[in-house]
Amino acid sequence: AQSVTQLGSHVSVSEGALVLLRCNYSSSVPPYLFWYVQYPNQGLQLLLKYTTGATLVKGINGFEAEFKKSETSFHLTKPSAHMSDAAEYFCAVSVYGGATNKLIFGTGTLLAVQP
Amino acid sequence: EAQVTQNPRYLITVTGKKLTVTCSQNMNHEYMSWYRQDPGLGLRQIYYSMNVEVTDKGDVPEGYKVSRKEKRNFPLILESPSPNQTSLYFCASSRDRGNTEAFFGQGTRLTVV
Repeated sequence: AQSVTQLGSHVSVSEGALVLLRCNYSSSVPPYLFWYVQYPNQGLQLLLKYTTGATLVKGINGFEAEFKKSETSFHLTKPSAHMSDAAEYFCAVSVYGGATNKLIFGTGTLLAVQP
Repeated sequence: EAQVTQNPRYLITVTGKKLTVTCSQNMNHEYMSWYRQDPGLGLRQIYYSMNVEVTDKGDVPEGYKVSRKEKRNFPLILESPSPNQTSLYFCASSRDRGNTEAFFGQGTRLTVV
C-alpha cells in the first residue's frame, strides 16, 4: 500500500535560513508526489509535483524538491525562509487505478519562521 | 477565476440534525473528492466521484453520503451527525487522475455538539 511519512510535525527556522521539510514515501509503483501548502484559514494550494523525468522539481515561491528513488524521499527545500512562508505543508502521493482516485497525505509539518 | 467553492465555511450543529455542505467547481473537472482533516492525521478521503452519477467510497465514508447530479456540484451530506464528525472538511476537484493538480476549496469547519 502506498503511504507518506513526514518527519517533524513542527519546524521552526529563522528568517533567511534554509527550510528543509522531510517526506518519505512508500510505493510499489513509480509514484506521483506532491507538496501542498495550507495558509491559515485557507484551502490547500499546490507548491510542486513530481511525475516523471527531472528529479529536481521547482515550484512556486522559491520552493523545490528532489525525488530520490534510492532513499524513497521527496524533501522540500527553500534556500532562504521568508515570514510569509509560515504555514502547514503536506506531502502527498497519488493513488489511482480501477475505482480508486485519491491523494494520500502525510500528517503535515507546521513551519514557523522567526524574525 | 478557477475555483472550488464550499459553503458554509463554519457550522455548529447538534447531534442528529441532518446537514449538507455544498461544493461547486467552475473548471469543468470530471473528478471531485471530499476529505476531512484532523490534527495529527493529515487529510483523509471520504468519498469521491469520477463523473456525474458515479461516486465511490474513500477511506473514511461511514456516516456520510454524497451525490453527483451535475458535473459542477458535489454536496456532502451528514444524515445524523455525531461528535466524532467534528472536523475540517475540504472539497477538491481535478481534471484527471494520477499526476494532475487537485484544486481545493477553502474548507468547512464543522462542530457537532
